[in-house]
Amino acid sequence: KQEVTQIPAALSVPEGENLVLNCSFTDSAIYNLQWFRQDPGKGLTSLLLIQSSQREQTSGRLNASLDKSSGRSTLYIAASQPGDSATYLCAVRSGTASKLTFGTGTRLQVTL
Amino acid sequence: DAEITQSPRHKITETGRQVTLACHQTWNHNNMFWYRQDLGHGLRLIHYSYGVHDTNKGEVSDGYSVSRSNTEDLPLTLESAASSQTSVYFCASSGRPLDTQYFGPGTRLTVL
Repeated sequence: KQEVTQIPAALSVPEGENLVLNCSFTDSAIYNLQWFRQDPGKGLTSLLLIQSSQREQTSGRLNASLDKSSGRSTLYIAASQPGDSATYLCAVRSGTASKLTFGTGTRLQVTL
Repeated sequence: DAEITQSPRHKITETGRQVTLACHQTWNHNNMFWYRQDLGHGLRLIHYSYGVHDTNKGEVSDGYSVSRSNTEDLPLTLESAASSQTSVYFCASSGRPLDTQYFGPGTRLTVL
C-alpha cells in the first residue's frame, strides 16, 4: 500500500526566504506526482505535475523535483511572499487503478 | 470558464438520515472522484468513476454510494449518516486517468 509522508508538518519563514518542502513515498512504482496548494476553507489548486520519467518541473517561482528510485520529491519556493501562505499537499499516482494517494501536507506561513 | 461545483457548501444532519452531496463539472471530463479530508489523514478516496455508468470503490467506501448517469454529475450519497462521516468532502475531475485532477471547493458535512 502506497504511503506518502510530508515533512515538516508546519513551517514559518520570513518573507523573501527560499524554502524547500519535502515529500516521500514508499512505493517507487508511480505514474506521476502532483503538488497542490490548499487555502483555508478552499479546494485544492494544482501547482505542478511531474511524470515518472521526469526529474523536475518549473512554474514561476516554484520548482518540483522527483527522485523516483529513492521515493522522494521536493518543492522549492523561491523568494517567498506572504501570499504563498497555505497548506501544500503532495500526491502520488500509482497502482492498477492509477489512484492518487495524498500526504497530510505542510502548512506554510510566510511572515512580513 | 469550465469549473467544478459542489453543493451544498455546508450541511448539518442527524445520525441515520440519508444525505446526498452534489458535484457538477463543466470540463466534460470522463473521470470524477470523491475524497474526504480529515485531520491527520489527509485526503482519502471514497469512490471514483471513469465514465457514464462506471463506478468504483476507493479506500473508504463503506457507507457511501455513487451513481453516474451523465458526464457532468457524480452525486455522493450517505445511506445512513454516522458521526464518523463528519468531514470535508471534495469532488475532483480529470480528462484522463493520469491527468491533473481539478478540485471543487468542498462540502463541510456535520453529522450530529
